[in-house]
Amino acid sequence: KQEVTQIPAALSVPEGENLVLNCSFTDSAIYNLQWFRQDPGKGLTSLLLIQSSQREQTSGRLNASLDKSSGRSTLYIAASQPGDSATYLCAVRGLTNFGNEKLTFGTGTRLTIIP
Amino acid sequence: ETGVTQTPRHLVMGMTNKKSLKCEQHLGHNAMYWYKQSAKKPLELMFVYSLEERVENNSVPSRFSPECPNSSHLFLHLHTLQPEDSALYLCASSQDRGRAAGGPNEQFFGPGTRLTVL
Repeated sequence: KQEVTQIPAALSVPEGENLVLNCSFTDSAIYNLQWFRQDPGKGLTSLLLIQSSQREQTSGRLNASLDKSSGRSTLYIAASQPGDSATYLCAVRGLTNFGNEKLTFGTGTRLTIIP
Repeated sequence: ETGVTQTPRHLVMGMTNKKSLKCEQHLGHNAMYWYKQSAKKPLELMFVYSLEERVENNSVPSRFSPECPNSSHLFLHLHTLQPEDSALYLCASSQDRGRAAGGPNEQFFGPGTRLTVL
């Protein structure tokens, strides 16, 4: 059974700092890995999707890496801003026993950027 | 309207009430999903629908009853819920339910319905 762990559970950093969020998963048989952002009480916004054959993806100040063999991914945020404050979720995509797409999520890292 | 929409955004109900959550996707997708997000727990997949057919029930209690009248709409009918069912219920859609067509088959999420059961 796939399990996804995110460390740390919460993180507070001063504005302007670079930071790294970590995600690990137990089963390396994944199709891709996705990072989401969730604001309090809101739905999920997709940030980056890394295919299993890729090592990293970049979008603006965000860079996500994937080491499938070791079951790890990191989300790097450069020059953090107060607007980056949110919960960041990592999810890996595999298949259920019935052949359907399944996203297995971690519990998230709650990020607070201090102005 | 674009993307995935959900109504209502907030719902408070008693244990004996019957209510329904609605999801609509405007992306032309064939697969739709219900997820449950409880406090301090990861999102849990509840149901998967593909072309209006339920293709997966992830051991969800029968007090949750999904309905998919067409590929754009998905409902979750609620009856005799328990306080522990209070959670954020998220709907998502994707092009297909599996990877037969290739590509990332990314899931797009709605804003969720915050459900409180008293």
